[in-house]
Amino acid sequence: EIVLTQSPGTLSLSPGERATLSCRASQSVSSSYLAWYQQKLGQAPRLLIYGASSRATGIPDRFSGSGSGTDFTLTISRLEPEDFAVYYCQQYGSSLTFGGGTKVEIK
Amino acid sequence: QVQLVQSGAEVKKPGSSVKVSCKASGGTFSSYAISWVRQAPGQGLEWMGGIIPMFGTANYAQKFQGRVTITTDESTSTAYTELSSLRSEDTAVYYCARARHLRLPEGHDAFDIWGQGTMVTVSS
Repeated sequence: EIVLTQSPGTLSLSPGERATLSCRASQSVSSSYLAWYQQKLGQAPRLLIYGASSRATGIPDRFSGSGSGTDFTLTISRLEPEDFAVYYCQQYGSSLTFGGGTKVEIK
Repeated sequence: QVQLVQSGAEVKKPGSSVKVSCKASGGTFSSYAISWVRQAPGQGLEWMGGIIPMFGTANYAQKFQGRVTITTDESTSTAYTELSSLRSEDTAVYYCARARHLRLPEGHDAFDIWGQGTMVTVSS
């Protein structure tokens, strides 16, 4: 099973700042089958990025994904008030697993 | 636009079983994989297993093998997950989710549509 480790656990930032979230896999994720989700309290997750770098429908371009192999990054270029939430990475290249999440909180 | 609507909250005794449903409306059901993902209170997301309705064969996370059964009813565009031998650690919100693309053989892909979640509480 591919284990995904997300860091940091919590990111404290102010609106307008840049957020950089990391997702590291225990083995290479084939064909960059890596997705990112946003989850707000009491809501279902929302797909942001698939295929490591493709934005899902309706996702603003301040969200971007990059990486390959075992190291992946989600970047939020300028944080908006609605971006403070928990973010999960997921790999679907070998079975399917999720990372433990990164909470982006207001500083 | 496809929507996934799940059944309501459940309270179960330890050792019993629970069956949660997920009904699709507004689009094609059979040709997209449906998975079940759970989230314990204050915890992360955990994939349990999935199924491609047109093929009917499910695949499960190793942790849940033998304890979970995922099925579909194409006539009603509904997917089900049944978890048996419930224990307190199974207390969680259970989500169904649709894979955005049918990638064979097991249908694994990113999830673009999610149900609203079903709270299952296991308590004596």
